[in-house]
Amino acid sequence: SQTIHQWPATLVQPVGSPLSLECTVEGTSNPNLYWYRQAAGRGLQLLFYSVGIGQISSEVPQNLSASRPQDRQFILSSKKLLLSDSGFYLCAWSVIAGQVFSGYTFGSGTRLTVV
Amino acid sequence: AQKITQTQPGMFVQEKEAVTLDCTYDTSDPSYGLFWYKQPSSGEMIFLIYQGSYDQQNATEGRYSLNFQKARKSANLVISASQLGDSAMYFCAMRGSASGGYNKLIFGAGTRLAVHP
Repeated sequence: SQTIHQWPATLVQPVGSPLSLECTVEGTSNPNLYWYRQAAGRGLQLLFYSVGIGQISSEVPQNLSASRPQDRQFILSSKKLLLSDSGFYLCAWSVIAGQVFSGYTFGSGTRLTVV
Repeated sequence: AQKITQTQPGMFVQEKEAVTLDCTYDTSDPSYGLFWYKQPSSGEMIFLIYQGSYDQQNATEGRYSLNFQKARKSANLVISASQLGDSAMYFCAMRGSASGGYNKLIFGAGTRLAVHP
């Protein structure tokens, strides 16, 4: 079966510290991968998406970066966290086989608090 | 540009009653899909229902149905026989066409539903 793993579940980091959030997918090949951020009480904002290994597209300019070192691994990073980076981060994947769209599956999320 | 609008920040409904959550969208793509997700306090995003732009009939999934009015560009979620466990944040979302090899999912701001006993 297809599953998505995201960790850690919660994280408290000081301002200026680095960040690394990891997302891995099982049971599928060549997925499209996405990182979303949700500010408290708000909708989800797409940060990055990837259609293949090493292929990253950024949706909004920010203090974060993303990498896809393997087909089913997606990493969100920062060299120096800002207070404004606090939020709930969700990883998601989707697959399109021909014209059939599989839908989106989300990970369980990481709640990041920058202090 | 694509846009999703949810005009109800909060809604409440009596248990066992039906409730409609509004969603309007804007897109120039002829092919698109509309989603509804539920987000309980735990934060996970739970897929509820999907409507394709070319689907002739409104989508239904158990107690959830989608009132799709293409000309009005609306895709309202109807929850019948509300349960206490339905209390959560609900998001409407839209994907565009498959051009470029990806499908971005654009979210509305959400509606917080409270079900009262």
